[in-house]
Amino acid sequence: GNSVTQMEGPVTLSEEAFLTINCTYTATGYPSLFWYVQYPGEGLQLLLKATKADDKGSNKGFEATYRKETTSFHLEKGSVQVSDSAVYFCGRSGGSNYKLTFGKGTLLTVNP
Amino acid sequence: DAGITQSPRHKVTETGTPVTLRCHQTENHRYMYWYRQDPGHGLRLIHYSYGVKDTDKGEVSDGYSVSRSKTEDFLLTLESATSSQTSVYFCAISDMDLNEQFFGPGTRLTVL
Repeated sequence: GNSVTQMEGPVTLSEEAFLTINCTYTATGYPSLFWYVQYPGEGLQLLLKATKADDKGSNKGFEATYRKETTSFHLEKGSVQVSDSAVYFCGRSGGSNYKLTFGKGTLLTVNP
Repeated sequence: DAGITQSPRHKVTETGTPVTLRCHQTENHRYMYWYRQDPGHGLRLIHYSYGVKDTDKGEVSDGYSVSRSKTEDFLLTLESATSSQTSVYFCAISDMDLNEQFFGPGTRLTVL
């Protein structure tokens, strides 16, 4: 079946550090891939997405590239800020009725 | 922001009592989903709906039922709440022309 595996963390970084959160997915079908972000006390918000191989999604300085050969969709940011502290979820589509499958989430804490 | 509201936002109840959570959308999206979020498990799908009166089970549906009598409302019912159902519940919506889900703000349920 469909599954997503992401780095569980927690991840703690200093402000302006480089961020990578790894995500891999099962290769069944032709999924779209997503990164969602959840700030404390809130619901999930779509951060970025990619719908086909070699697409790069980007938003707010975050990037992720859809790599079919490695079944990966790693999230990166060149210089994190304290305001980026949140939980990040990787997800893939491809299930019936437009269901999404999510990873377990990665807690990122950025210290000043 | 997508127009999704959840009510109540917080609820404390006792074991054995019935509980109903409501999700309301103003986007006229066809698909609606209920998830629960627990530490170490990420987001897990409880039930979903692919149209009025059309619903199906997700991966953790035991102990839950749903109803959708009109496009804008999706109700989640715990017939007899148990402590294991203490969680944060999120509703999400999707449209078949989009490839992403939009999430509500969540309901924190505590079963004593």
